[in-house]
Amino acid sequence: AQKITQTQPGMFVQEKEAVTLDCTYDTSDQSYGLFWYKQPSSGEMIFLIYQGSYDEQNATEGRYSLNFQKARKSANLVISASQLGDSAMYFCAMIPNYGGATNKLIFGTGTLLAVQP
Amino acid sequence: NAGVMQNPRHLVRRRGQEARLRCSPMKGHSHVYWYRQLPEEGLKFMVYLQKENIIDESGMPKERFSAEFPKEGPSILRIQQVVRGDSAAYFCASSPVTNYYGYTFGSGTRLTVV
Repeated sequence: AQKITQTQPGMFVQEKEAVTLDCTYDTSDQSYGLFWYKQPSSGEMIFLIYQGSYDEQNATEGRYSLNFQKARKSANLVISASQLGDSAMYFCAMIPNYGGATNKLIFGTGTLLAVQP
Repeated sequence: NAGVMQNPRHLVRRRGQEARLRCSPMKGHSHVYWYRQLPEEGLKFMVYLQKENIIDESGMPKERFSAEFPKEGPSILRIQQVVRGDSAAYFCASSPVTNYYGYTFGSGTRLTVV
């Protein structure tokens, strides 16, 4: 079954510290894409970072990095130097069979991150 | 370049009424996806459309829900005879081609059925 699992319903982190949000995935496809989205309290979905299954290096975008461990099927998001504005819900998502006819995203249930001053 | 525009932002309907949700993709984007987010859950895929064609509707409920993306105008998600369980946030995303990542999402329409 194709599935995304986020086991942390909520997390606290101190401002300026780093935090890791866990994500594991399940797919039998060889080609797939992994994504992280941020959903602040205002409700919009903001794309953060992407990792392709054939990418050998971990993706990075500013303070965001994706710790991709293919053998363990994990795609954890690392946020460095947390800021108060990082407080939001974070969703891990996957496109299985990437490059196929429909690139539909499968989402996890999300992790609510609260950054404390 | 305006992003994906969804309207209305909030919609309240009584049980049994119809709900029409609109999505205008980014300029140059001809692919539209609709997702539904139930309270306390992640987004779930509903339907994927290209101009005038439904490509994948495997996530759409079999009854009362329909979607279109006409040659001119926005994509429309229509829910007929709404029930309380339809209360959710409905998001639209667009992309320029099929094989593309980092879809741009709209801000969503929050539907409340009373």
